[in-house]
Amino acid sequence: DSGVTQTPKHLITATGQRVTLRCSPRSGDLSVYWYQQSLDQGLQFLIQYYNGEERAKGNILERFSAQQFPDLHSELNLSSLELGDSALYFCASSVAGVRALKQETQYFGPGTRLLVL
Amino acid sequence: DAKTTQPTSMDCAEGRAANLPCNHSTISGNEYVYWYRQIHSQGPQYIIHGLKNNETNEMASLIITEDRKSSTLILPHATLRDTAVYYCIVRDRTGANNLFFGTGTRLTVIP
Repeated sequence: DSGVTQTPKHLITATGQRVTLRCSPRSGDLSVYWYQQSLDQGLQFLIQYYNGEERAKGNILERFSAQQFPDLHSELNLSSLELGDSALYFCASSVAGVRALKQETQYFGPGTRLLVL
Repeated sequence: DAKTTQPTSMDCAEGRAANLPCNHSTISGNEYVYWYRQIHSQGPQYIIHGLKNNETNEMASLIITEDRKSSTLILPHATLRDTAVYYCIVRDRTGANNLFFGTGTRLTVIP
């Protein structure tokens, strides 16, 4: 158990809908990262938040957005869903995630499996 | 981050040591080698990391060559539960914090 929790575990929805995925980082971790894993793309970084602020962006679509709340949990919002958005979505957390700090190992949650029909 | 090359798949007999190689010939001086594994669609699990010295923890050992252009992850006594995809990632401590996962090595531990 990494200490990172994600809800829900599974989500089935229809094209055009909007869903929200939730992540609670490990106690004490300030950074949250979101990754997408689809069959044809492998694990891809989407976005990082540090202490409530966006820190880095990867291959995140404009239809997707995220935020990190004062209690440090994070939500990933996926809208106008398409069949191709079906994937596993992982959240990871690390202590700080800022440049030149000692501990930046990321610990991953169990993921949310999204199926868009 | 430097690119890594790993074999697509490997088999290992249960109870034997599993040696997973990784080439990172373009690694630079401040880049660390990280290993993660993913067991059947579970979240990636951190295993170990190192800079230039060999490292060992309760899960595995990491051997980095003197020129740092390659490394080997060693699982000393592989069990069936070690069957997973193993990812070798080279990261710059001072750069972006996201992880770049390649295709990894699918390790199958055989009874």
